[in-house]
Amino acid sequence: GAVVSQHPSRVICKSGTSVKIECRSLDFQATTMFWYRQFPKQSLMLMATSNEGSKATYEQGVEKDKFLINHASLTLSTLTVTSAHPEDSSFYICSASPGPRYNEQFFGPGTRLTVL
Amino acid sequence: EDQVTQSPEALRLQEGESSSLNCSYTVSGLRGLFWYRQDPGKGPEFLFTLYSAGEEKEKERLKATLTKKESFLHITAPKPEDSATYLCAVPRLSGGYNKLIFGAGTRLAVHP
Repeated sequence: GAVVSQHPSRVICKSGTSVKIECRSLDFQATTMFWYRQFPKQSLMLMATSNEGSKATYEQGVEKDKFLINHASLTLSTLTVTSAHPEDSSFYICSASPGPRYNEQFFGPGTRLTVL
Repeated sequence: EDQVTQSPEALRLQEGESSSLNCSYTVSGLRGLFWYRQDPGKGPEFLFTLYSAGEEKEKERLKATLTKKESFLHITAPKPEDSATYLCAVPRLSGGYNKLIFGAGTRLAVHP
């Protein structure tokens, strides 16, 4: 149980384009989903937290207009990187939790974004 | 300030050579400590949750223990397939959400 999927697993795009990454909880309802970013040989950095049906909350220093998050259902959250630039190239990972105060988070396999 | 520190940063072991990874934490009101395994290019895979000092959990060659200030991940007779980055994390209640604070990880390499 507690399986989380992400799509796509890899994406290469040109600078200035927008990229959408999907995160799905496959066998449970995820009231809360989290989006992380990970640079090579570094740990996970939380970007934002989303609750189904409400606006996402962003961590300090994360541009909400650049990283658009939509949590439209209890099993799907999307992260859209708008007007991507090479510095946005990174490994993006989502996690899902059955509730905002639930302790455990279950992680997706990650999406490797490369912006040319 | 809540903080999680892992050591060593990297560890190289021979197959069968047991060792321990350390995770020290400072957090107000511990509501669990989590261990994850992360393989290159993949998301973290959940291993253990520990809630109280003295608690231990085991899975195959791994055993996690918890004290009031730190946690250890003991690896007994490791195999090459145990090579990965091991992350520990603690939840911090912020804005009504349990957000995870991660350590930097320990990169484990087990050589045959």
